[in-house]
Amino acid sequence: DIQLTQSPSFLSASVGDRVTITCRASQDISSYLAWYQQKPGKAPKPLIYAASNLQSGVPSRFSGSGSGTEFTLTISSLQPEDFATYYCQHLNSYPLTFGGGTKVEIK
Amino acid sequence: EVQLVESGGGLVQAGGSLRLSCAASGFTFSDYYMDWVRQAPGTGLEWVGRTRNKANGYTTEYAASVKGRFTISRDDSKNSVCLQMNSLKTEDTAVYFCTRSFGYSTYYYTDYWGQGALVTVSS
Repeated sequence: DIQLTQSPSFLSASVGDRVTITCRASQDISSYLAWYQQKPGKAPKPLIYAASNLQSGVPSRFSGSGSGTEFTLTISSLQPEDFATYYCQHLNSYPLTFGGGTKVEIK
Repeated sequence: EVQLVESGGGLVQAGGSLRLSCAASGFTFSDYYMDWVRQAPGTGLEWVGRTRNKANGYTTEYAASVKGRFTISRDDSKNSVCLQMNSLKTEDTAVYFCTRSFGYSTYYYTDYWGQGALVTVSS
């Protein structure tokens, strides 16, 4: 099975900060990666698919990049509504797996 | 508007069975893959399984942790997908989400999630 390792697992940042979250795969997954945002008590919200494509309705301050084994999710200017937990998921092969999550909190 | 509404969650004893349903609306159901994802209390997300669409033969895939115990089925005539859970264990306690996945470059990515259904397995 492919393992996804997210770093950091916890991040403290201020409104307006540029934030970068990394997701590393245990083997080459090409660009078959998605990113999600989850707030407490809510279903995850899809942000990015195929490593760098923005889902419909997602603000342009979110961007994704990478291929192979290393991927990043960047929030160019953190907004109050962005404080949440972020997960990556690979779609390369079965079983599909998620990273352990990165919690972004207010500094 | 795309909607996914799960039902059937509840409390069950270990070793028992439960069937979750997901009612879909607002899109052509037969075109999409449907997945189940779960989240145990205070933990991260775990993919449970997938049913492919009509064009891909309605075949299924499962996580190793549920294979042989859980079965995903779909009824395109009713726009619904079900998760039959047998031989439940306490570690199956989680919120179960129904999700829709669309095709992009032959791979299928999730774009909608239901609100989730809580399954609690007691010992």
